[in-house]
Amino acid sequence: KNQVEQSPQSLIILEGKNCTLQCNYTVSPFSNLRWYKQDTGRGPVSLTIMTFSENTKSNGRYTATLDADTKQSSLHITASQLSDSASYICVVSAGSSNTGKLIFGQGTTLQVKP
Amino acid sequence: NAGVTQTPKFRILKIGQSMTLQCTQDMNHNYMYWYRQDPGMGLKLIYYSVGAGITDKGEVPNGYNVSRSTTEDFPLRLELAAPSQTSVYFCASSPGQFRETQYFGPGTRLLVL
Repeated sequence: KNQVEQSPQSLIILEGKNCTLQCNYTVSPFSNLRWYKQDTGRGPVSLTIMTFSENTKSNGRYTATLDADTKQSSLHITASQLSDSASYICVVSAGSSNTGKLIFGQGTTLQVKP
Repeated sequence: NAGVTQTPKFRILKIGQSMTLQCTQDMNHNYMYWYRQDPGMGLKLIYYSVGAGITDKGEVPNGYNVSRSTTEDFPLRLELAAPSQTSVYFCASSPGQFRETQYFGPGTRLLVL
């Protein structure tokens, strides 16, 4: 069964600190992995998208890593800001056809406190 | 560009009522999608469309219908609303295949009582 599991479920950090969110997946065949940021009351916004051959990708203070062998990904946030408070969703794309399937994780809720 | 817009933002329905959730995108994307997001759960695909006139079922299509008469619009129809359809509904679009980045609308919060 295709699954995407994220940890921790929620996280509280102080402004300026770094943090790392985890994503484990059992999806086959793997196409790509994405991280989305979802602010409260808004739709998800894409942060990064990585294919099988990519190990790391950055978007400003966000750095995603991918280990296709262990089927793990992480999202590292550097020097957190209050605006980073949001839910972070890991999404894995399965299949190679136009009707490939997206499997969504349940998200990690991050709260950055001053 | 406005991106993906959805109306209404919030709606309360009585059991058995029907309604249409509107979704419009101005990016000329071929692919459009409808998802629902329940509390603490990942998004689940309801229906998707690969172009005008072409739609297909996703993971949880029961109780919903869609149409795609134009590239821009992808309305979602709820027939005979049930409490289980209480959720937040997101419309999304992408330029091409599922593997490409999807752009999401702001969501419609639906409460069925």
